[in-house]
Parts: sequence; C-alpha cells; structure tokens
Amino acid sequence: DIQMTQSPSSLSASVGDRVTITCQASQDISNYLNWYQQKPGKAPKLLIYDASNLETGVPSRFSGSGSGTDFTFTISSLQPEDIATYYCQQYDNLPTFGGGTKVEIK
Amino acid sequence: QITLKESGPTLVKPTQTLTLTCTFSGFSLSTSGVGVGWIRQPPGKALEWLALIYWDDDKRYSPSLKSRLTITKDTSKNQVVLTMTNMDPVDTATYYCAHNSGSGCFDYWGQGTLVTVSS
Repeated sequence: DIQMTQSPSSLSASVGDRVTITCQASQDISNYLNWYQQKPGKAPKLLIYDASNLETGVPSRFSGSGSGTDFTFTISSLQPEDIATYYCQQYDNLPTFGGGTKVEIK
Repeated sequence: QITLKESGPTLVKPTQTLTLTCTFSGFSLSTSGVGVGWIRQPPGKALEWLALIYWDDDKRYSPSLKSRLTITKDTSKNQVVLTMTNMDPVDTATYYCAHNSGSGCFDYWGQGTLVTVSS
C-alpha cells in the first residue's frame, strides 16, 4: 500500500493568511495526487486534481504543487468559508487518502 | 448533471452482512474509463477508500478489507452495489459512493449514508 502522510493535522490561521498543507507519499506517485475539501456534515469536494490542476469552478486562491513524493496545497488568502478539513488522495495504484488537515479561523 | 445517492440499512448487527446500493444518474457505467467507488468515514475520522468498479467490470479493493468486500454493477439500472461481510462496531461510518472519471479522482460524490453497527 502507498501511505499518505499529511501535515499538519490541524491549523489555525487568520482571515487573509496564506495556508499551506503538505502531503508526503511513501513512494513515488508522479503527479497522481488530488486534494479535497470537506465541510462538516457534507461530502468531500474535489478541488485539485493531478497535483496542480484546479477543478472547474474552484476559486483561484486554492492551488497545488509537487510531484514524486512531496506535495503542497495552498490557500493564498484564507476566507471564512474555507473552514473545513482538507484531504489529499493518491491514485498511483489503489487509491489512498491522507489523514486530513482541519483548518480553523484564529 | 451527475448525481449519486447511497441507500441501505442504517443499523446492522455485528457479524451481519451489509449491502449498500449506489444509484446514479447523469453518466453511464458503460462509458470507457468511468468508474464508481466506495469510500467510508468513521465519525470524526479520516476518509478510507474501500472499492472501485470500472466500466469494463475491472474491480479494485482495499487490501485491508478485500476479503470482506464485493462490488458489482448493474449498468441497466445505473446502480453499483457494495457488500461487506462480518460487520463489526468499528465499521460504523458514513459510507459514500463517488464517480471516478478514470483519471483517479472522485469528482462527484453522493450525500453519504450513516451505517451503525450495534447489537
């Protein structure tokens, strides 16, 4: 199995702050990495696919980068509506999800 | 417009078999590259991928749960069924089905259904 280590597990930031989440794969997964946003009581929503491609309709303040084993997800300017838990997911072979990062407003 | 909806029991007893149905619209599971997956989430915990079935009936399972899972499709009914045997209280979770575009991402999700395992 490919393991995905996501960090931090939670963070608190102010509105307007730049927020960065990292995800590390246990082996090379090329760019086969997606990012999801999940708000309380809701299903996850795809934000970024193939490591850096913004899903249609997703605000441009969200971005992703990386390849191989190390990936980064960034919110350039945190907004109140971005309060959620974010998950990475790899699909090099069988899909696996990271442990999630809960983002809160300071 | 792609939609998916999970259905099945909300409560199962330990050792019983869980059967969940995902009924979808807006796409066909006979279209090349398309798949439907199941993902679960225990209360307050992370997402866990369970199984995936593709348009060509290729099936993939989580290695840790493979012995307990079966995924099937009924293309004519636009349904995917997941069965999980020998249910245990640790299997209590919200179960989601999701559309897989073939590129590896789950781009459309159902609302989820909470399944509680308790005697």
